[in-house]
Amino acid sequence: QVQLLESGGGVVQPGRSLRLSCAASGFTFSSYGMHWVRQAPGKGLEWVAVISYDGSNMYYADSVKGRFTISRDNSKNTLYLQMNSLRPEDTAVYYCAKGIRAVAGTPDDYWGQGTLVIVSS
Amino acid sequence: QTVVTQEPSLTVSPGGTVTLTCASSTGAVTSSSYPNWFQQKPGQAPRALIYSTYNKHSWTPARFSGSLLGGKAALTLSGVQPEDEAEYYCLLYFGGALVVFGGGTKLTVL
Repeated sequence: QVQLLESGGGVVQPGRSLRLSCAASGFTFSSYGMHWVRQAPGKGLEWVAVISYDGSNMYYADSVKGRFTISRDNSKNTLYLQMNSLRPEDTAVYYCAKGIRAVAGTPDDYWGQGTLVIVSS
Repeated sequence: QTVVTQEPSLTVSPGGTVTLTCASSTGAVTSSSYPNWFQQKPGQAPRALIYSTYNKHSWTPARFSGSLLGGKAALTLSGVQPEDEAEYYCLLYFGGALVVFGGGTKLTVL
């Protein structure tokens, strides 16, 4: 069965960096676009970034552009989110999600359980 | 800035029917926006219910259906069950980096 397992969350000071990982299994990882979506405490969902099946195309929300980098290692079936220059407003549960298409598109399919990032001094 | 608008809250009786809608600030929602619907219960991750307007996942109960209605995307629940009480989010795609969630609808089954 499809599984998406996020890791790497924690407490970090403003201005510092953190890298999230999402280990995928149960499907052909290299065939699908993958997304990061976040949810601040008590708030709604916010789309963060997407990467195409082969890593050739990436898109970011304006709120993270220039600070976050999405990447993938298809040999390890793993998705990453490198988060630099973190701000308190980046505090959220971060979910990885699978698309149904090879290209960018939408996180229409399976979602992980999320990893919590807290940005605080 | 593109805004996607949902009803903040709705209440439905068990066994009843309710329709949630999803509107775009850019105009009528079409199938080209690949409307998606997600369900989220407290303390849980979101779960995809509907993709590309009306397509169901293998795990989506038959009582859930997606459509376009009056220029909006719509999610209809027919024969509502107590376990359908949850937050529901729609998502619209405007191309590239423009992927926008609605603010969510809190559905109460009472």
